[in-house]
Amino acid sequence: AQSVTQPDIHITVSEGASLELRCNYSYGATPYLFWYVQSPGQGLQLLLKYFSGDTLVQGIKGFEAEFKRSQSSFNLRKPSVHWSDAAEYFCAVGAGRGSTLGRLYFGRGTQLTVWP
Amino acid sequence: DTEVTQTPKHLVMGMTNKKSLKCEQHMGHRAMYWYKQKAKKPPELMFVYSYEKLSINESVPSRFSPECPNSSLLNLHLHALQPEDSALYLCASSRQGIGDTQYFGPGTRLTVL
Repeated sequence: AQSVTQPDIHITVSEGASLELRCNYSYGATPYLFWYVQSPGQGLQLLLKYFSGDTLVQGIKGFEAEFKRSQSSFNLRKPSVHWSDAAEYFCAVGAGRGSTLGRLYFGRGTQLTVWP
Repeated sequence: DTEVTQTPKHLVMGMTNKKSLKCEQHMGHRAMYWYKQKAKKPPELMFVYSYEKLSINESVPSRFSPECPNSSLLNLHLHALQPEDSALYLCASSRQGIGDTQYFGPGTRLTVL
């Protein structure tokens, strides 16, 4: 069965520090992987996605993520965090066949707090 | 343009009311989704429409009734809701569903009194 684990419920970093948010997935085939960000009371905004090819994916707002098949991980990174990055971050895996057509499996989310 | 619009932004309704949520996209996407999101939780899938046909219903109570009148519009009709149905309701769309990126709207904040 497909599942996504985000082990960190809440992370606090200082502005300008580097950031890594962890994501592990369980999926039987080649996964489609996504990171979304959500500000309070807002919808989800796509940061980046991995379908195939280069395992280091660049996204918007200076974020990147690396797909590591051997570790079933898709961690999100940013070299220097800005106060505006404070939000909830969701990792998701997309299923692509049969009855799971169109379904996204979300992790529980990681809340990022940025100290000035 | 990757915009999905949702109206209204906020909705307060009593348990005996009938109301509707509306979602619209003009990206030519053929899959559209309704999600329910409670505070501090990830979105929970409710319904998926693929080519205007309902393809996934996640055992949602019948007081929620989806409708897809055409490829650009998705409605969620609400009737006799309970206070526990209060949540953020998100709409999303994707090209056709198979592994495609889902683009989300800003959501409708629903409060049931």
